[in-house]
Amino acid sequence: ETGVTQTPRHLVMGMTNKKSLKCEQHLGHNAMYWYKQSAKKPLELMFVYSLEERVENNSVPSRFSPECPNSSHLFLHLHTLQPEDSALYLCASSQEPAGVSGELFFGEGSRLTVL
Amino acid sequence: QQQVKQSPQSLIVQKGGISIINCAYENTAFDYFPWYQQFPGKGPALLIAIRPDVSEKKEGRFTISFNKSAKQFSLHIMDSQPGDSATYFCAASMMQGNLIFGKGTKLSVKP
Repeated sequence: ETGVTQTPRHLVMGMTNKKSLKCEQHLGHNAMYWYKQSAKKPLELMFVYSLEERVENNSVPSRFSPECPNSSHLFLHLHTLQPEDSALYLCASSQEPAGVSGELFFGEGSRLTVL
Repeated sequence: QQQVKQSPQSLIVQKGGISIINCAYENTAFDYFPWYQQFPGKGPALLIAIRPDVSEKKEGRFTISFNKSAKQFSLHIMDSQPGDSATYFCAASMMQGNLIFGKGTKLSVKP
């Protein structure tokens, strides 16, 4: 496997369910990101992890809970979501700091539908 | 001040034509300006990028023009092809900072 892989690619869940999105990067990067992509806010940064420590949380509701057990894996735990949380969730990685090169490597995303 | 404003929201161009997408920013501390390309069902991917010490960068049919005084930059796609149909995002960042993305432009190139 190469690049950034995300699973599942599609997820349908009820408002009371608990589910998790998984991201794995095979690029040797030390920073990982979760973005939310929707029609209203096309690329909205949610969380940033650098060297497995969370360095930024852009005021994301607590029903989204990230976890970064090591520099290659990133999870987004979901619970009691709302229908407006339906979106494409993109994982990305970069060599820290991304601002120097601007190059983020994105996965193909997990399409989430909340019923 | 952290925003990057992108226009147009959508663009239709005939094959062989020139596609032009514009972005504007306010924060003069931004020092890196990449463009990302996203095909349906895929994540965005870096297309081309520029730093403010140059006014233009060209890679194949893709050119970034940068106007530091106006705080604007644009993407030009020459000889546009149907395979260029995608959503394009401009972005900006500061050293050590995260990328701030524009809202995207959906480009359709008609055969």
